[in-house]
Amino acid sequence: QTVVTQEPSFSVSPGGTVTLTCGLSSGSVSGSYYPSWYQQTPGQAPRTLIYSTNSRSSGVPDRFSGSILGNKAALTITGAQADDECDYYCVLYMGSGIWVFGGGTKLAVL
Amino acid sequence: QVQVVESGGGVVQPGGSLRLSCETSGFTFSNHGMHWVRQAPGKGLEWVAYIRPDGSNKYYADSVKGRFTISRDSSKNTLYLQMSSLRAEDTAVYYCAKGTSYAFDIWGQGTMVTVSS
Repeated sequence: QTVVTQEPSFSVSPGGTVTLTCGLSSGSVSGSYYPSWYQQTPGQAPRTLIYSTNSRSSGVPDRFSGSILGNKAALTITGAQADDECDYYCVLYMGSGIWVFGGGTKLAVL
Repeated sequence: QVQVVESGGGVVQPGGSLRLSCETSGFTFSNHGMHWVRQAPGKGLEWVAYIRPDGSNKYYADSVKGRFTISRDSSKNTLYLQMSSLRAEDTAVYYCAKGTSYAFDIWGQGTMVTVSS
């Protein structure tokens, strides 16, 4: 069974730039997987950040951007702020009506 | 305002059944696929099921296939998840999400399902 991989944790300094990645246990991520990214603070519903690799959801600041880097999907946050400290999830569309989430990355801003 | 609101969660015994509902507003329900996503306590998000805009096709995660049924009623702008043969590992917050461009767009606040004797 294909596993979607994410860094379990990451840290960034306030004002800094961080890139989180989303890969596959077997194979490479491409735009054909329509990678999307979600932000979730504890106790809250997820918020959609990026869909179809690099399209920003309505109201999402341009500090957040999506791309393909090498064989993985990537979420880059520039000018990190304290309230960026939360969990980030990627999802890949595996085809045939099936989606798979990554395990999530807990981002610390410190 | 585009909105989805889940309801129907609660405590159910192992082997029992429960039906979740997701009332939608602010968008043309019949034009969008809809998803259920869940999150077990302290764990990550897990995609559960998807239904096409016209309800013609339904898709499930292996973990729920054969036990859960997704459906929709366009006359009520409402999505459903019928859950049966529930197990302890089905304990989670269940989110309804509007589908868009192979992603999840609008999320509800979720409804908690606890499977326990």
